[in-house]
Amino acid sequence: NAGVTQTPKFRILKIGQSMTLQCTQDMNHNYMYWYRQDPGMGLKLIYYSVGAGITDKGEVPNGYNVSRSTTEDFPLRLELAAPSQTSVYFCASRRGQGRNEKLFFGSGTQLSVL
Amino acid sequence: QQQVKQSPQSLIVQKGGIPIINCAYENTAFDYFPWYQQFPGKGPALLIAIRPDVSEKKEGRFTISFNKSAKQFSLHIMDSQPGDSATYFCAVSREVTGTASKLTFGTGTRLQVTL
Repeated sequence: NAGVTQTPKFRILKIGQSMTLQCTQDMNHNYMYWYRQDPGMGLKLIYYSVGAGITDKGEVPNGYNVSRSTTEDFPLRLELAAPSQTSVYFCASRRGQGRNEKLFFGSGTQLSVL
Repeated sequence: QQQVKQSPQSLIVQKGGIPIINCAYENTAFDYFPWYQQFPGKGPALLIAIRPDVSEKKEGRFTISFNKSAKQFSLHIMDSQPGDSATYFCAVSREVTGTASKLTFGTGTRLQVTL
């Protein structure tokens, strides 16, 4: 199993450009999440999904959109990139719940908006 | 408002030492307290987790101590090794039936274990 795969690993965008961060998982997990990580700030939840066709906002959703057409894929869309979106983005999927809950993270996408 | 406060920001210990990382939370409804470990260039990975019905949990060299009345929990790393050098995040969540639990992470502690 590859686990959670994110592409690209690095990207530089100009202000106002758009892009999609790809995330796919091969563990058949229903729950998937997008986080952003800023230095000294921990991870902040952007969006999450409880299954194909169902998504919801997290703590910091402004400037982002998501879709979940299949169980495997959960892409994150930036429509009009701003410098404040410079960050490292992590996608995760969740196995189990309660005492057996475990998040599996991808290796991240480092995004710079200049 | 920060839901979980983590300290210290960074920590340097010698090999064999016992680094301790602390987290404090406000909401008594939280019922799941994991610790994640992150190496440079990688995503976080679950290290160990605890529920509020126990005060301590050990897995290998890693121990979580949980103080429900003080609303604090901490990670202890016994006999620390240079390979433990990483960033550690505590997190909290609350399980609500019929909804997705969402982890709220602390700000992270960068640990360096020297020879």
